[in-house]
Amino acid sequence: DQQVKQNSPSLSVQEGRISILNCDYTNSMFDYFLWYKKYPAEGPTFLISISSIKDKNEDGRFTVFLNKSAKHLSLHIVPSQPGDSAVYFCAASAIEYGNKLVFGAGTILRVKS
Amino acid sequence: DGGITQSPKYLFRKEGQNVTLSCEQNLNHDAMYWYRQDPGQGLRLIYYSQIVNDFQKGDIAEGYSVSREKKESFPLTVTSAQKNPTAFYLCASTTRDGQPQHFGDGTRLSIL
Repeated sequence: DQQVKQNSPSLSVQEGRISILNCDYTNSMFDYFLWYKKYPAEGPTFLISISSIKDKNEDGRFTVFLNKSAKHLSLHIVPSQPGDSAVYFCAASAIEYGNKLVFGAGTILRVKS
Repeated sequence: DGGITQSPKYLFRKEGQNVTLSCEQNLNHDAMYWYRQDPGQGLRLIYYSQIVNDFQKGDIAEGYSVSREKKESFPLTVTSAQKNPTAFYLCASTTRDGQPQHFGDGTRLSIL
């Protein structure tokens, strides 16, 4: 049973435009959500996070939106750059589960120049 | 320069052989984790440890074993009981207050 789902395996965006990556979750106990970026043959690097008490968190070109009622979050990258091309993983955790992370399957983002 | 070091980067295992993947961190983190990544899938938790000399099974612990004798080290042994060991293995660590996990660069394990 996948508790965190990223339904789009891949996304292609033109340089300078907005990239929107989506993530859905099923477990209402999740209270902390993160996005990680991963290049081939490297470990994931933390990008941005959001607590369930917020609905938006912004860091430079990256903004994460959380819709608790819909159990949906999204990552917006504006403007997209070729260096953003990577796999993006959505992850969720809950204090009740010892803050263990549950990951989605990832979305491959390709930014074309 | 603090970080997490995983070694080796590539590892080959013969049938029936146990192999051990190394994970060392100098971030002074209390918690450490082992994940497995398969193509087209997210990271799945194998084992984790919140404190020295203590560890818990994750979602896919069968065929794996760990130890946590030192705060900075959390080796993972892939035993011969793991029937499908070919994967990319990632180690992570974090503080006890739930800060985002930091990851190593992974070890790719293949079967000869």
